[in-house]
Amino acid sequence: KAGVTQTPRYLIKTRGQQVTLSCSPISGHRSVSWYQQTPGQGLQFLFEYFSETQRNKGNFPGRFSGRQFSNSRSEMNVSTLELGDSALYLCASTGQGANEQFFGPGTRLTVL
Amino acid sequence: AQSVAQPEDQVNVAEGNPLTVKCTYSVSGNPYLFWYVQYPNRGLQFLLKYITGDNLVKGSYGFEAEFNKSQTSFHLKKPSALVSDSALYFCAVRDLPRPNDYKLSFGAGTTVTVRA
Repeated sequence: KAGVTQTPRYLIKTRGQQVTLSCSPISGHRSVSWYQQTPGQGLQFLFEYFSETQRNKGNFPGRFSGRQFSNSRSEMNVSTLELGDSALYLCASTGQGANEQFFGPGTRLTVL
Repeated sequence: AQSVAQPEDQVNVAEGNPLTVKCTYSVSGNPYLFWYVQYPNRGLQFLLKYITGDNLVKGSYGFEAEFNKSQTSFHLKKPSALVSDSALYFCAVRDLPRPNDYKLSFGAGTTVTVRA
């Protein structure tokens, strides 16, 4: 079974731009979560989607948004990028009734 | 809210020696606890989980973890460490604001270095 895939793997943007990251969960998994990983703040929860609905949201500004499609693929968008948005963005999926999340390799975003 | 703490930023051990990575938790209700490992420039890999049952949980790559309710701890262990175990280890707890929601809260991480 293929794992969680994320595209692109690396991204360089400048301040003020916007960016869209994509995540394809493990086949059959309907829950998709996003996390931000930085050296200073560690791993922080962004949001979780299930059946195209956001079920949970972390403490991030409204510039961070996401959505999920009917095939469970998810995208997250960051608008008006700031230097502090530079991070590794991780996507994870969970199967129905399961407890563990499986993570993708991440997208490394650098904001200049 | 549920939370976990990893009291050690770094753990250094010699190859062949036992490895322990510490984690303590603070939860209301029954804890759902996890260990993940991250290698450089990679995502997180699931190692093991404790939901209920035996206090000693066995996982991938020879790792195990001991759940201790009285000490609110969930330490990761490996009897004989390998150089290839050098990585960043995260303890996590599942937040359960609503039963079907899914959100993990992570510790700060512990860097493990195994020297040859």
